[in-house]
Amino acid sequence: EIVMTQSPATLSVSPGERATLSCRTSQSVSNNLAWYQQKPGQAPRLLIYGASTRATGIPARFSGSGSGTEFTLTITSLQSEDFAAYYCQQYYKWPPLTFGGGTKVEIK
Amino acid sequence: EVLLLESGGGLVHPGESLRLSCAASGFTFSSYAMTWVRQAPGKGLEWVSTISGSGGSIYYADSVKGRFTISRNNSKNTFSLQMNSLRAEDTAVYYCARDSQWLAFFDNWGQGALVTVS
Repeated sequence: EIVMTQSPATLSVSPGERATLSCRTSQSVSNNLAWYQQKPGQAPRLLIYGASTRATGIPARFSGSGSGTEFTLTITSLQSEDFAAYYCQQYYKWPPLTFGGGTKVEIK
Repeated sequence: EVLLLESGGGLVHPGESLRLSCAASGFTFSSYAMTWVRQAPGKGLEWVSTISGSGGSIYYADSVKGRFTISRNNSKNTFSLQMNSLRAEDTAVYYCARDSQWLAFFDNWGQGALVTVS
């Protein structure tokens, strides 16, 4: 099983600032990594797939990078609607499909 | 517009059974694998089970293997999760999700159904 580790668990950021979220995998997943955003009481929403491709309708302030075992989600100029939890997921080797434990981005 | 609507959640006692269903619309259902993902209260996301578009390939997490059964009805655009021998640790919101057409990430999600085992 590929273990996913996200850091930090909580990130405090001021509106308008940049947020950088990390996801590490226990073995290489090439670029088979997705990022999701989840707001309280809502279902997750796909942000990024293929490590760096934005899903339909996702604003350009969201960007993904990395390959192998190290990945980053960057949110430039945080908007109020971006304060949420973010999860990474690998789909390179499964079953099982695995998610990271999540990073909560909160208002500083 | 892709729509996924779960139904069947509720409160059950340990050892009992429950069946979740997900009704899909807005896309060619039989062309897509479908997945159940769950989220325990205050916790992260956990993959539960995936069924291929034809229903010929099925996968389960070890935590539910032998207790849960996924199935689909392509003529009715629905898929289901039969959950038997439920445990307290199965308490979660269960989301149905559509796999992307070729890879196992999830491009559309339902609103979730709460299953409480107590």
